[in-house]
Amino acid sequence: GESVGLHLPTLSVQEGDNSIINCAYSNSASDYFIWYKQESGKGPQFIIDIRSNMDKRQGQRVTVLLNKTVKHLSLQIAATQPGDSAVYFCAENEYFNKFYFGSGTKLNVKP
Amino acid sequence: NAGVMQNPRHLVRRRGQEARLRCSPMKGHSHVYWYRQLPEEGLKFMVYLQKENIIDESGMPKERFSAEFPKEGPSILRIQQVVRGDSAAYFCASSPSSGLAAWEQFFGPGTRLTVL
Repeated sequence: GESVGLHLPTLSVQEGDNSIINCAYSNSASDYFIWYKQESGKGPQFIIDIRSNMDKRQGQRVTVLLNKTVKHLSLQIAATQPGDSAVYFCAENEYFNKFYFGSGTKLNVKP
Repeated sequence: NAGVMQNPRHLVRRRGQEARLRCSPMKGHSHVYWYRQLPEEGLKFMVYLQKENIIDESGMPKERFSAEFPKEGPSILRIQQVVRGDSAAYFCASSPSSGLAAWEQFFGPGTRLTVL
């Protein structure tokens, strides 16, 4: 299958700073993407999604950017908090309900 | 409104035994997905089911693994004759059957399988 990968496996940021987590995807036919947050010992939690007809979507403190030209996805977290410490995955929808997940980026928020 | 339920949360089996993992989707959801996650890795799609139907099992190993989602009751992921390589966290997700929300999958807390 197509691959979904991340540039940075671990990201450390200071509390209050902004965080940017990146994701590359290789299937140009993918038309829907989701960012998930996974805390230790828990299942993935939906954060935000974006469809391929959009370049940007904003939620509460989070923004997802999609660059279809270079097949790149990013998640921006504003004013990062200790509770944001987790592993973040991007998921790429290949067709219908089948998703491919990247290997994840671990976000460490330093107080 | 309860979320996706999985049980057991932790399961220990010896090599050669069978493992049965159960998943109850969110109320009103008729689509179930199973994923496997190895330590420090992402989730790998295994199978997608609707009630009484397997829609996509392209991620399931050809042998020893099976899944079902009966008309009544939870979805079951069954692993026969477990081996140490089956040790992983198994996550179930569910989604509604239609509408834009059908694309969003809600995940359960997972079952952590350890094979001794």
